Amino acid sequence: EIVMTQSPATLSVSPGARATLSCRASQRVSSNLAWYQQKAGQAPRLLIYGASTRATGVPARFSGSGSGTEFTLTISSLQSEDVAVYYCQQYNDWPPLTFGGGTKVEIK
Amino acid sequence: QLQLQESGPGLVKPSETLSLTCFVSSGSINNEGFFWGWVRQPPGKGLEWIASIHSVGGTYYNPSLMGRVTISIDTSKNQFSLKLWSVTAADTAVYYCARSKVVNIYFDYWGPGSLVTVSS
Repeated sequence: EIVMTQSPATLSVSPGARATLSCRASQRVSSNLAWYQQKAGQAPRLLIYGASTRATGVPARFSGSGSGTEFTLTISSLQSEDVAVYYCQQYNDWPPLTFGGGTKVEIK
Repeated sequence: QLQLQESGPGLVKPSETLSLTCFVSSGSINNEGFFWGWVRQPPGKGLEWIASIHSVGGTYYNPSLMGRVTISIDTSKNQFSLKLWSVTAADTAVYYCARSKVVNIYFDYWGPGSLVTVSS
């Protein structure tokens, strides 16, 4: 099973500042990595797939990068509506599909 | 716009069977390009993939739940279902149904989720 590790657990960022979230895979997953945003009380929402491709309707301030075992989700200018928990998920080697433990992004 | 909606009891007794159905609307479940799956989230915790199924019947399970779970699909009713046997308090979670592509298995459409509590 591929273990996904996200850091930090919580990220406090000032409005308009950059937020950088990390996701590490225990084995190489190529670019088969997705990011999701989950706001309180809601279902997850797909943000990024293929490590760097934004899903339909996702604002350009969200970007993904990386391949192999190290991945990054960047929010270039944090807005209040970006407060959420963000999860990464690998789909390179399954079953099982595996998610990271999440990074909570809050406004400083 | 594709919509998914979970349905099932909100309370299940320990050792009994959890049964959930996901109704799919504004799109056909009988599309060979997609898997239909279940993901759960215990209160305050992260996401765990449970199982996925293809419209022609291929099934895939999380090994951690193998032997306790079955996923099935009814293309005539445009729905798919989950059964989890011998539940314990550890199975208390919000259960989401979701769609993924066959080629790249990330989830692009999700239901709103259904909270299932295991308690006597």
